[in-house]
This record gives sequence, C-alpha cells and structure tokens, in this order.
Amino acid sequence: GQNIDQPTEMTATEGAIVQINCTYQTSGFNGLFWYQQHAGEAPTFLSYNVLDGLEEKGRFSSFLSRSKGYSYLLLKELQMKDSASYLCAVRDSNYQLIWGAGTKLIIKP
Amino acid sequence: IAGITQAPTSQILAAGRRMTLRCTQDMRHNAMYWYRQDLGLGLRLIHYSNTAGTTGKGEVPDGYSVSRANTDDFPLTLASAVPSQTSVYFCASSEGGEGSTEAFFGQGTRLTVV
Repeated sequence: GQNIDQPTEMTATEGAIVQINCTYQTSGFNGLFWYQQHAGEAPTFLSYNVLDGLEEKGRFSSFLSRSKGYSYLLLKELQMKDSASYLCAVRDSNYQLIWGAGTKLIIKP
Repeated sequence: IAGITQAPTSQILAAGRRMTLRCTQDMRHNAMYWYRQDLGLGLRLIHYSNTAGTTGKGEVPDGYSVSRANTDDFPLTLASAVPSQTSVYFCASSEGGEGSTEAFFGQGTRLTVV
C-alpha cells in the first residue's frame, strides 16, 4: 500500500529552527510537495521537490532523497505566524497526490 | 471570482437528505479534485477529474458522485447523507498532467450530518 509518515505534533521556540520529517512509500514517484495549513483554513503550497537535494525559498527549505523515500521541511527564524499544520504529499505514478496526516507545529514565545 | 470558490462555507444536514457542494475555478485548470479532511487522517481523495467530461474515483468514493460538464465547475453530490460523512470538504484544482505542480484549494465546506 501507499503510506506517508510524518510526526503528529512538534513544538519549537520563536526565533529557532525546526525540521519536519516525512517518509513515504508510494507506487511511483512524480514529486513531493509541502503545504501549510492554518487552523480552519485551506492548505497553501510551500514547496515542490522532484530531484534529490535542497530547495531553498526564504525562511523555508525542503530536502528530498528519493533513494531513502525521505524529505524534510526546514523552517528558520520561526515566527508565531508559523504555527500551523504542515502537510507532506507525494504524487504517485498516476499523478495523484497521496497525503500525510500532517504535522501540527506549535511555536512558543 | 478569483481562484477557486466553494459553497456553502458550512452546512448542517439531516441524515438521508441529498446535498450538492459547489466548486468553481477561474484559472482554466484541467484537473479538479474533491477531498475530505478528518482529524488525524489527512486529506483523502473522493473523486477527481483530469479534464472536462471525465471523472474518476479516488480513495473514498462511496456515497458521493461528481460531474464535470465544463472546465470551471466540479460539483460534489451526497445522494443520501449519513453521519460518517461529517467532515471538512476541500475542492482543489491544478493544471494537471506531467507538467503540473501545485494544487490550489478552495476555502472548504464544513459539513455536519445529524
């Protein structure tokens, strides 16, 4: 079967750095996505990786290792507004997105 | 309309009633999707459409139907609602196909079946 695993919840301090991991087992791979979802709102796109390595976009970076079925989202200089759920999703061989359950990130002052 | 719009925003529905959730996008995206999101389970695909005139079943299609008469609209119908269909429903769209990257989401419909 297809499976995406990520931690249920993480806590970090304002101004610090946090890494959210995602491991996947899917039928085929056509890219990995990270989305941010604030409580009561729709998911919004953060990053896309299809090749191995690190993609940097401002305070957010995303890493992919296809051979290990592994990705992480790195958030630097954390702000209170970064408190949200972070969703990992993999596009499979049929170009359908398979979603993880999301990681709830709590930022403390 | 800017982006993707869902209606209604929320609804309380009696079990056994029929209900259609509306979704409209103005981005001329080929692909559209309906997801439900339940606590601890993440987003689960109900139905999808890769292009106007075609639809497909996702992971949890039972009790739901869709149609895609044109590019912009992708309504989701619950023929006879049951309490287990209480959830938050998200419609999404993307360019579709190999070149597609991100999906854009509507604001969601919070449905409670009582």
